[in-house]
Amino acid sequence: AQKITQTQPGMFVQEKEAVTLDCTYDTSDPSYGLFWYKQPSSGEMIFLIYQGSYDQQNATEGRYSLNFQKARKSANLVISASQLGDSAMYFCAMTPIQGAQKLVFGQGTRLTINP
Amino acid sequence: IAGITQAPTSQILAAGRRMTLRCTQDMRHNAMYWYRQDLGLGLRLIHYSNTAGTTGKGEVPDGYSVSRANTDDFPLTLASAVPSQTSVYFCASSDHGGTGNNEQFFGPGTRLTVL
Repeated sequence: AQKITQTQPGMFVQEKEAVTLDCTYDTSDPSYGLFWYKQPSSGEMIFLIYQGSYDQQNATEGRYSLNFQKARKSANLVISASQLGDSAMYFCAMTPIQGAQKLVFGQGTRLTINP
Repeated sequence: IAGITQAPTSQILAAGRRMTLRCTQDMRHNAMYWYRQDLGLGLRLIHYSNTAGTTGKGEVPDGYSVSRANTDDFPLTLASAVPSQTSVYFCASSDHGGTGNNEQFFGPGTRLTVL
């Protein structure tokens, strides 16, 4: 079984600062994918970034980067130069690469960016 | 391009009633999914379908059924609604087995209240 743990229920950050959202995972699958989604107050789920367990380099997408430490089973999301629009819920999720793509989500972190 | 549409947007339902949540995608994705989102629990997978004609159970399938008669549609049925099924329901789709990261694209959600 897979499990995602996000230990930060809420975080408050000043605008323009960098922020790291923690995510640890547990799985017995030999290969897997890790995702981060953003959910603003409007409710939609927005894909941010993906990391495959076999990828040698950490994933980056604009201001988002994923600090993947396989031995520690962690996949932290780093947002550089935070903006007011980054205020939202952030979910870490994972799925096996092979077989059914059944996403398992963490409980989420509510990020608030202060001006 | 609509992506994924869900209907209704919201619904208040009496306990014991039958309800079908509709989901349609126009991306020709082979895989589709239903999740529920409750406060503090993140998203949990209810049912999934890797391809038209096949379905599978997720983490919380009890009280729900699905069908996948064609590629585009994936309705979720509550045969006899109970108050614990009050939740926000998200439909998602992905290009399972294709190139890329198998990112799941989410619909806007259906807010269901069972009284």
